[in-house]
Amino acid sequence: RKEVEQDPGPFNVPEGATVAFNCTYSNSASQSFFWYRQDCRKEPKLLMSVYSSGNEDGRFTAQLNRASQYISLLIRDSKLSDSATYLCVVNSNDKIIFGKGTRLHILP
Amino acid sequence: NAGVTQTPKFQVLKTGQSMTLQCAQDMNHNSMYWYRQDPGMGLRLIYYSASEGTTDKGEVPNGYNVSRLNKREFSLRLESAAPSQTSVYFCASRRGTGGIGNQPQHFGDGTRLSIL
Repeated sequence: RKEVEQDPGPFNVPEGATVAFNCTYSNSASQSFFWYRQDCRKEPKLLMSVYSSGNEDGRFTAQLNRASQYISLLIRDSKLSDSATYLCVVNSNDKIIFGKGTRLHILP
Repeated sequence: NAGVTQTPKFQVLKTGQSMTLQCAQDMNHNSMYWYRQDPGMGLRLIYYSASEGTTDKGEVPNGYNVSRLNKREFSLRLESAAPSQTSVYFCASRRGTGGIGNQPQHFGDGTRLSIL
């Protein structure tokens, strides 16, 4: 099992729809989790941290399931500007592991 | 706030040439990182520095050297550039040490390097 796995996509979703991504991780001792957004030819930018109880930031909701070792990102009422690659990141004591990203295309 | 600053933004080299990519952060972060990103490969860690005065190899260190000059600056050197090192290079910094803690990384806007 890879340390961090994401469905590469692309996800082609009509504007206004809800879309969800999952990211699985292999190290049960992992401590902190993040979602990053990366636009084409740009640097990764922090979208949101993922907390144990789940957290929401506007249209974005992140959840952590430690028992099944995955994190999720839900985007509601998707906008054209949400088109990007979404990277999940998992931190352990001595390692920070990036997933390869899921590409999202919002269609007008 | 500058955050993480990388120079240069673009560079073209000939095979065998050497160069140093510069990275500086003004957030008083402890850890700094160098990644390369190639199509279909995701971000791959080259070297990192968990704190001032320490450096460690990442996933793909061959052909590179690093220097943590002080707390602010972390440079990446290619001693003899090869076409396989054509990539986009990102520097990142983080408040925490290593992977400990829940602080995220912050990235510079990248250096696009082509080796002919």
